[in-house]
Amino acid sequence: NAGVTQTPKFQVLKTGQSMTLQCAQDMNHEYMSWYRQDPGMGLRLIHYSVGAGITDQGEVPNGYNVSRSTTEDFPLRLLSAAPSQTSVYFCASSYPTGEGWETQYFGPGTRLLVL
Amino acid sequence: AQSVAQPEDQVNVAEGNPLTVKCTYSVSGNPYLFWYVQYPNRGLQFLLKYITGDNLVKGSYGFEAEFNKSQTSFHLKKPSALVSDSALYFCAVRDSNTDKLIFGTGTRLQVFP
Repeated sequence: NAGVTQTPKFQVLKTGQSMTLQCAQDMNHEYMSWYRQDPGMGLRLIHYSVGAGITDQGEVPNGYNVSRSTTEDFPLRLLSAAPSQTSVYFCASSYPTGEGWETQYFGPGTRLLVL
Repeated sequence: AQSVAQPEDQVNVAEGNPLTVKCTYSVSGNPYLFWYVQYPNRGLQFLLKYITGDNLVKGSYGFEAEFNKSQTSFHLKKPSALVSDSALYFCAVRDSNTDKLIFGTGTRLQVFP
């Protein structure tokens, strides 16, 4: 299994440009999520999905859109990039257990710089 | 609100010495607690979790964590540190209302030869 994969690894954008961060997993996990990691702030949840066709907002959703048309893919879209979106983005997936979604499997991350 | 706190931005320890990375939590109900590790330029990796049962939880790479309900703590420990343990460590708690993970701000562990 490849696990959770993310592309690109690194991206530079100009303010106002749009782009899509790709995330895919081959573990048939129902739960997928996007986090951003900023110094001193840990990981903050942007959006998440509990299954194909279902998405919901996390802690910091503004400026980002997601969709979940298949179990495997969960792309994150920036419609109009802003310097405040400079960050490292992680995608994660998980499966349900009796106690909830529990252990998450993380991708290698996408480093985004918005000028 | 449910939260976790990691009071130390960085912990320095000499190789071979025991290490402790601290985490305290605030939750309503029973806490589901996790430790993740992030090596440079990599995603987070699961280390261990506490759901219920024994207060001492053993995880990957020789790490263990002690759940202390009275002190609302879940400190990560290892008896003998390795240089290769140098990484960023995150404590997390499951929000019982939403099932989402809430992460701490991370503690950078530096193990010196």
